[in-house]
Amino acid sequence: DSGVTQTPKHLITATGQRVTLRCSPRSGDLSVYWYQQSLDQGLQFLIQYYNGEERAKGNILERFSAQQFPDLHSELNLSSLELGDSALYFCASSEPLSGSSYNEQFFGPGTRLTVL
Amino acid sequence: KNEVEQSPQNLTAQEGEFITINCSYSVGISALHWLQQHPGGGIVSLFMLSSGKKKHGRLIATINIQEKHSSLHITASHPRDSAVYICAVNPGTASKLTFGTGTRLQVTL
Repeated sequence: DSGVTQTPKHLITATGQRVTLRCSPRSGDLSVYWYQQSLDQGLQFLIQYYNGEERAKGNILERFSAQQFPDLHSELNLSSLELGDSALYFCASSEPLSGSSYNEQFFGPGTRLTVL
Repeated sequence: KNEVEQSPQNLTAQEGEFITINCSYSVGISALHWLQQHPGGGIVSLFMLSSGKKKHGRLIATINIQEKHSSLHITASHPRDSAVYICAVNPGTASKLTFGTGTRLQVTL
């Protein structure tokens, strides 16, 4: 158990709908990362938050947005869903950065999104 | 071309064999990570390396910064080692990870 929790575990929805994925980082971790794992693209970085602020953006579609709340949990919102959005969505957290820009990342169990 | 390449893509071994999985990258990095993903989907961090060599139990990870290459070795492999092993890097000074496509390992009795 990494200490990172994600809900829900599974989500089945229809095209055009909107869903929210939730992530709670390990206690004390300030960074939250969102990653998408699809069969054709593999694992890809979407977005990073650090202590409530957006820190870095990757291949995140305009239909997707995220935020990190004062209690440090994060939500990833996916709207106008398409079949191709079906994937495993992982969040990861890491300790506060101290001097270096990188730390070990601890992954949540993932949310499996199926768009029908 | 992917920034992170792994080989082989698939690997089948018999229990007890010594296994090597390779990772090459084409960008400057601050660290390299080896991750393990089990069939259930969960991802576990095995190693984070910026130089040299690390060992945890039967797992050994090495990195050669000059050659932009890392290897993950599993000694005395066991069926419970069956998983997908993923190499990932922190490109430049970024905190985000860039991933290889993974190596699917199956260890049989």
